[in-house]
Amino acid sequence: DGGITQSPKYLFRKEGQNVTLSCEQNLNHDAMYWYRQDPGQGLRLIYYSQIVNDFQKGDIAEGYSVSREKKESFPLTVTSAQKNPTAFYLCASRDRGRTDTQYFGPGTRLTVL
Amino acid sequence: AQKVTQAQTEISVVEKEDVTLDCVYETRDTTYYLFWYKQPPSGELVFLIRRNSFDEQNEISGRYSWNFQKSTSSFNFTITASQVVDSAVYFCALSGGGSNYKLTFGKGTLLTVNP
Repeated sequence: DGGITQSPKYLFRKEGQNVTLSCEQNLNHDAMYWYRQDPGQGLRLIYYSQIVNDFQKGDIAEGYSVSREKKESFPLTVTSAQKNPTAFYLCASRDRGRTDTQYFGPGTRLTVL
Repeated sequence: AQKVTQAQTEISVVEKEDVTLDCVYETRDTTYYLFWYKQPPSGELVFLIRRNSFDEQNEISGRYSWNFQKSTSSFNFTITASQVVDSAVYFCALSGGGSNYKLTFGKGTLLTVNP
């Protein structure tokens, strides 16, 4: 089955700890994206990558870091510098073919205790 | 700067009613793309439709229909004969014509369909 997977589904962390959220896709998409969603809000772009070994900051990159060493993987690290990390995090990849659309994974809900 | 406004925060209807979700956008791009996504309680965003700025033809897919009007910068979504399974948050989104293809989302409309 082709798709986007995110793990874990729920993540708890203590203040001051870094945590890495996983995003994997087997759709052979070049571009991948990370969004943050807060209650009652739309999605906001954190980082995106259009090709392996390249990525750009989105609108709210402070306190986050990413890497893109493989086409299939785009992990997001939430660092201790992120002042309000509790949120729902969604990863997406883009099909540049027929639909030219971003498709989303199931999300990771991060709670800082 | 791009902006998407979904003025309806929450809508509640009774099953079988028709419901229209409004979306108004702002952009300076001449080429742009508009999207609707559905977010059920499970959280995953489900793609519904993509429309480019040069195609103002309305589209119908089963009980879903979309009305795109450039003159009013609107891209409204209508569900006909709503069902309980339609209950979800619906997002309208906008992307410019550049290569980075960043999406700007509205804040979403929570639709509740009651039996």
